[in-house]
Amino acid sequence: AQSVSQHNHHVILSEAASLELGCNYSYGGTVNLFWYVQYPGQHLQLLLKYFSGDPLVKGIKGFEAEFIKSKFSFNLRKPSVQWSDTAEYFCAVNARTGGSYIPTFGRGTSLIVHP
Amino acid sequence: DGGITQSPKYLFRKEGQNVTLSCEQNLNHDAMYWYRQDPGQGLRLIYYSQIVNDFQKGDIAEGYSVSREKKESFPLTVTSAQKNPTAFYLCASSIAVAGDNYGYTFGSGTRLTVV
Repeated sequence: AQSVSQHNHHVILSEAASLELGCNYSYGGTVNLFWYVQYPGQHLQLLLKYFSGDPLVKGIKGFEAEFIKSKFSFNLRKPSVQWSDTAEYFCAVNARTGGSYIPTFGRGTSLIVHP
Repeated sequence: DGGITQSPKYLFRKEGQNVTLSCEQNLNHDAMYWYRQDPGQGLRLIYYSQIVNDFQKGDIAEGYSVSREKKESFPLTVTSAQKNPTAFYLCASSIAVAGDNYGYTFGSGTRLTVV
């Protein structure tokens, strides 16, 4: 079965700092990769996704992620964070198993941005 | 507007009782999922359904049951056999086209508390 590891459980940054959240998955086959964000009191929302093609994916609100197949990684980045980026971030993997895509989420990373 | 509706938002249950959480979607999505969210553990998959009248166990299905009699509805029953049911429950849906999933739309969640 596939698994997803998010190594940073809690991240605290000041505004304008750069952000990189790690995500590694364990699965050798075809995968689809996602980052979701959950702002305080709100639904989970899709931030960006990778299916194929350019491994550098740009999402909403200035976020981007790079798929490195050799490292089984899909790290999330933002050059300059804002206070409004305070949220919980989840990496997710869809791995194809027996004709179906089985979704697995990481444990999440709580990001706090100080103004 | 299309979306996923989970009800109720808050639910209290006495120990030993079964309780059913509702999830309805009007997105015409084929696949639906139930996740449990606990602090520090991220989202864990309880059950999922790729098609009407069919569903599969996720990673933590023990003590839960589901049905998928209609495409729009995927109710989750938390039975008395679930030893630690107090949690936040999230329902999600996705397009399933030829086995591909294109990310998930999440409901607003139901917070279940056992008293």
